[in-house]
Amino acid sequence: NAGVTQTPKFQVLKTGQSMTLQCAQDMNHEYMSWYRQDPGMGLRLIHYSVGAGITDQGEVPNGYNVSRSTTEDFPLRLLSAAPSQTSVYFCASSYSTPGAMNTEAFFGQGTRLTVV
Amino acid sequence: KNQVEQSPQSLIILEGKNCTLQCNYTVSPFSNLRWYKQDTGRGPVSLTIMTFSENTKSNGRYTATLDADTKQSSLHITASQLSDSASYICVVSGNNDMRFGAGTRLTVKP
Repeated sequence: NAGVTQTPKFQVLKTGQSMTLQCAQDMNHEYMSWYRQDPGMGLRLIHYSVGAGITDQGEVPNGYNVSRSTTEDFPLRLLSAAPSQTSVYFCASSYSTPGAMNTEAFFGQGTRLTVV
Repeated sequence: KNQVEQSPQSLIILEGKNCTLQCNYTVSPFSNLRWYKQDTGRGPVSLTIMTFSENTKSNGRYTATLDADTKQSSLHITASQLSDSASYICVVSGNNDMRFGAGTRLTVKP
């Protein structure tokens, strides 16, 4: 049971470098989202997608881009990494939007990113 | 201002004891409330999900309660085990999004 798969698990970047965090799900879920988790804070929404070809910004979108060319994949791109982007990133997917009744949301294992 | 507040921030209990974690929220409109367990270095895993019409839901030794009038929820863990050591996160949904609490860090000691 693959569920939600994130790669890589760990990454160190230099300031100004760019990279893509990969997220794939095999549950045919329409809704996918990216979050960052910082110490002492709840997860914060970066970007989300309600289906292939549709993306929208969340609470903290600056410095990140996303695309959704297929139902399965939802990559997150860091355009020019900054130390403030040091965080743990989680991808999540669900059959429908999180507000739908009894919609289960599944999370990947996370990517720990350090920007030096 | 965080719309989901959890208490306590951290808790240490002895194996076999019970404990209760609290969640207060101001998210509006309200659709559902979830409790997640997050082991160190792992992603959150769902424990329960409740809509506004549900007062309680159980998942094994985990029982969640919801009072939609006072906007409070609790997670009760019965007969704790060492494997219960984790962060427990309360998540409240409105329409399209999820609002996360900062979590309660539970440590179960032998």
